[in-house]
Amino acid sequence: GAVVSQHPSRVICKSGTSVKIECRSLDFQATTMFWYRQFPKQSLMLMATSNEGSKATYEQGVEKDKFLINHASLTLSTLTVTSAHPEDSSFYICSANTGSKNIQYFGAGTRLSVL
Amino acid sequence: KNEVEQSPQNLTAQEGEFITINCSYSVGISALHWLQQHPGGGIVSLFMLSSGKKKHGRLIATINIQEKHSSLHITASHPRDSAVYICAVRGGNNDMRFGAGTRLTVKP
Repeated sequence: GAVVSQHPSRVICKSGTSVKIECRSLDFQATTMFWYRQFPKQSLMLMATSNEGSKATYEQGVEKDKFLINHASLTLSTLTVTSAHPEDSSFYICSANTGSKNIQYFGAGTRLSVL
Repeated sequence: KNEVEQSPQNLTAQEGEFITINCSYSVGISALHWLQQHPGGGIVSLFMLSSGKKKHGRLIATINIQEKHSSLHITASHPRDSAVYICAVRGGNNDMRFGAGTRLTVKP
């Protein structure tokens, strides 16, 4: 079946560095991908909708200059956390929409720890 | 008030019990998803519903569009069913809104 691959699964970085997270659809083309954030013991929060070939749509309260999203191809979207700070430590998850069947597939998530 | 409300928040059951998790939503939707999140964080999509009822193995999901309510049932529960179950609704803009999740623990 359709699979979404997210990489890396875990990253630890120093405060002030930038971290890039990749989300790939492995056997289908995803015109739309979504990025979520999950705080400990809380549910998922939609951060932004990533559209291939156009600018991402950010949810209210999400800084677009802080969380850079690039959806350069139909199978890859990237989320870059710029100048990461400890408060950015969280679990980031992507999902991709198959479009034709309108089914959402989720990546395994990336646990970011900023020291 | 959250757009997606789930109950209960936590649920502990004995192996073999029948389990029901409820989800109510207050917005117009094109589809409702039930997701399963294991302790490691990975998420599996269990069901996508727009009407009626779906069954997969021991899992059953129902939705009542008029009442804006969905239920996830687990028959003959097993410790491996222990996870967080999340209800998510897809809005008209193709975005998704999530419930807070139900943490299920099934004891042997």
